[in-house]
Amino acid sequence: KAGVTQTPRYLIKTRGQQVTLSCSPISGHRSVSWYQQTPGQGLQFLFEYFSETQRNKGNFPGRFSGRQFSNSRSEMNVSTLELGDSALYLCASSPLGLADTSGFFGPGTRLTVL
Amino acid sequence: DAKTTQPPSMDCAEGRAANLPCNHSTISGNEYVYWYRQIHSQGPQYIIHGLKNNETNEMASLIITEDRKSSTLILPHATLRDTAVYYCIVRVVTDSWGKLQFGAGTQVVVTP
Repeated sequence: KAGVTQTPRYLIKTRGQQVTLSCSPISGHRSVSWYQQTPGQGLQFLFEYFSETQRNKGNFPGRFSGRQFSNSRSEMNVSTLELGDSALYLCASSPLGLADTSGFFGPGTRLTVL
Repeated sequence: DAKTTQPPSMDCAEGRAANLPCNHSTISGNEYVYWYRQIHSQGPQYIIHGLKNNETNEMASLIITEDRKSSTLILPHATLRDTAVYYCIVRVVTDSWGKLQFGAGTQVVVTP
């Protein structure tokens, strides 16, 4: 079974631009979560989607948004990029998104904002 | 979710067992203990999780104390590929899995 895939793997943008990252969960998984990882803040939860609905949201500004499609694939968007948005963005999926399940992370998208 | 405390780093000799402690003294009866690890710049990898009983899988064993205030992840025969940051996380049973709260974790270095 294929794992979680994320595209693109690397991305370079300039301040003020916007970016869209894509995540394809493991087949059959309906829950997708997004995380941001930076050296200073570590791994931080962005949001979680389940069956096309946002179920949880972390403490990030409105510039960060996401959505999930009917096939469970998910995208996250960051508008008006800032230097501090440079990070590894990780996507994770789980079958039903219940606490008593294991989840699996993708390899991440490395975003660099210049 | 309960807060966890882990040592910032530990070394382990290749071939020996690695015992990674985690303190979660404020854990509630309905919170699971999860362990993930992250090899440099890769996505975190699920290792194991448990509620009350000890758990074992092909990767590791999870020992949870009777009062559930602490746990130990055991890698039975550490290899160089086990060098990673290990995260101990607690999650409420009824909450969704997706909102994990990662701490700083333990940097484990396995040496030849």
